[in-house]
Amino acid sequence: EAGVAQSPRYKIIEKRQSVAFWCNPISGHATLYWYQQILGQGPKLLIQFQNNGVVDDSQLPKDRFSAERLKGVDSTLKIQPAKLEDSAVYLCASQAGRLNEQFFGPGTRLTVL
Amino acid sequence: AQTVTQSQPEMSVQEAETVTLSCTYDTSESDYYLFWYKQPPSRQMILVIRQEAYKQQNATENRFSVNFQKAAKSFSLKISDSQLGDAAMYFCAYEGSNYQLIWGAGTKLIIKP
Repeated sequence: EAGVAQSPRYKIIEKRQSVAFWCNPISGHATLYWYQQILGQGPKLLIQFQNNGVVDDSQLPKDRFSAERLKGVDSTLKIQPAKLEDSAVYLCASQAGRLNEQFFGPGTRLTVL
Repeated sequence: AQTVTQSQPEMSVQEAETVTLSCTYDTSESDYYLFWYKQPPSRQMILVIRQEAYKQQNATENRFSVNFQKAAKSFSLKISDSQLGDAAMYFCAYEGSNYQLIWGAGTKLIIKP
């Protein structure tokens, strides 16, 4: 089966610019996660979707980050405006259900200058 | 709140030898799941092994096994017959009642040829 797809793989922007990331989960996986992974740290959950509804976005900086999952499939994560501290790898993961593993995409490495 | 601690930022082992990575966690829940994920350099996060807390038997997947000590809240990963391809960041993760993963900071495993 095809894995989780993410694009772009790399993005370099200047602070205060906007950026968007795209994720296509494994077909049939109802749950989708966006994580932020800063270099040298474990992933930090930003938002969790169940189908097209938000389950948890308590750690999403809503003044600058937004995410949507239209039709319960693909998802986009946007940052506007970006700050230097947003430099990180943004991981998307999907899961069929509890007790099932989370499958991760390759991530998008964001550098904010 | 649950926490996961990996006290070894970096470990090294000679090829073909055995290495153990440590993980401790804190929780008040009795039903939960524990995971070890592997993240090779510039590659995707993949699941290595999982353990259900209600199971007393330690999980094993080929050369990978865990030592799960529920009372001590310890969940170590043993890699036998280490191979060059085992070099990666290893993350311990906890999944509790909210179905979300709480991650440790990771241990970088270096394999010496």
